[in-house]
Amino acid sequence: KQEVTQIPAALSVPEGENLVLNCSFTDSAIYNLQWFRQDPGKGLTSLLLIQSSQREQTSGRLNASLDKSSGRSTLYIAASQPGDSATYLCAVRPRDNFNKFYFGSGTKLNVKP
Amino acid sequence: DAGVIQSPRHEVTEMGQEVTLRCKPISGHNSLFWYRQTMMRGLELLIYFNNNVPIDDSGMPEDRFSAKMPNASFSTLKIQPSEPRDSAVYFCASREQGAGEQYFGPGTRLTVT
Repeated sequence: KQEVTQIPAALSVPEGENLVLNCSFTDSAIYNLQWFRQDPGKGLTSLLLIQSSQREQTSGRLNASLDKSSGRSTLYIAASQPGDSATYLCAVRPRDNFNKFYFGSGTKLNVKP
Repeated sequence: DAGVIQSPRHEVTEMGQEVTLRCKPISGHNSLFWYRQTMMRGLELLIYFNNNVPIDDSGMPEDRFSAKMPNASFSTLKIQPSEPRDSAVYFCASREQGAGEQYFGPGTRLTVT
């Protein structure tokens, strides 16, 4: 069974810093990987979707990379802002059943003004 | 589009009572997913439907849990009888046919006392 791990579990940084969130998965046979943001008491908002054939995706200050062979993805946030404070989750979809998502436990980010 | 709609947003009930959670997916989406989120276990997929048909309910924890999708615009997740360990946030998500992005609703926070 696919296991998804996110490190660190929590991160606190001053405003303006560039930061990297890590996601690792045990089975490289994935269909795609998706990064989500979750605000307290709210649902999940999709940030970036990377297909298995892609190496990275960018949206504004966010850049997600995928190294399928090593089972890793990173989410890079440039020039962090207090509004970026949230929990970030990654989820992988296995190649043999793309209806299933396996989620990591998330990284709780706090950006201090 | 209003996105995925869930009701109620909060539910507090006593052990033994029946609980029904409701979901309206995004119009035109063919797949619907029910998830449960707890601190201990993170996000878990309970069941998903394609074209209103349940495809995989292996994540449903017990026979006390049941889900239906009578038409393309409505689904329910029922717990009968409810127990304190069912307390969690329950999310519904929908997706267009294929392996695109999943869109999550705001969730229902269930507390069973």
